[in-house]
Amino acid sequence: DADVTQTPRNRITKTGKRIMLECSQTKGHDRMYWYRQDPGLGLRLIYYSFDVKDINKGEISDGYSVSRQAQAKFSLSLESAIPNQTALYFCATSKQGAFYNEQFFGPGTRLTVL
Amino acid sequence: QKEVEQNSGPLSVPEGAIASLNCTYSDRVSQSFFWYRQYSGKSPELIMSIYSNGDKEDGRFTAQLNKASQYVSLLIRDSQPSDSATYLCAVNGLREGAQKLVFGQGTRLTINP
Repeated sequence: DADVTQTPRNRITKTGKRIMLECSQTKGHDRMYWYRQDPGLGLRLIYYSFDVKDINKGEISDGYSVSRQAQAKFSLSLESAIPNQTALYFCATSKQGAFYNEQFFGPGTRLTVL
Repeated sequence: QKEVEQNSGPLSVPEGAIASLNCTYSDRVSQSFFWYRQYSGKSPELIMSIYSNGDKEDGRFTAQLNKASQYVSLLIRDSQPSDSATYLCAVNGLREGAQKLVFGQGTRLTINP
């Protein structure tokens, strides 16, 4: 089945460490997204990419960076992790040019920054 | 005013009854609307999409859209305990030159056996 995968699924790290979260997809979609989810705050967009050469900031990009290594791979980095980056992180994909922008989510990464 | 608003609940419904979930949105030019189901600790799962005014039915689920009132709802008929989850409303529109989804905070639904 075409799928979206994320690694790692859980990560505990310390303040100041560099962390990379990875996302891969076999759906053949061009568009990829990174969201974080916090209790009471819903899903918030961090970065998105419409193709390999296109990277855009979302509403909460400060403290994060991304890399689109290939159509199927989109990585999120926390250069120097801080405790308020503790959250559930989701990668999502959607089809290029799709008017409706249906997005499909990976299983998520639970990140804890101590 | 939030772009997408949902009652956070919890909404408690007896098994076999109809669960009704509501969502309002602020951007009049929004083009497409989605309902996602999210079980605790899991990722959002797309269950319904709707683009035109009126009703759209898929099994026990019916999505209703009223663009004039900027309102979208999800009805779940014959509710089952497995329907207990948080339901996220998402609205797609053109923002800063790009198609983006904006999510509501979600409504927590509990189906009581």
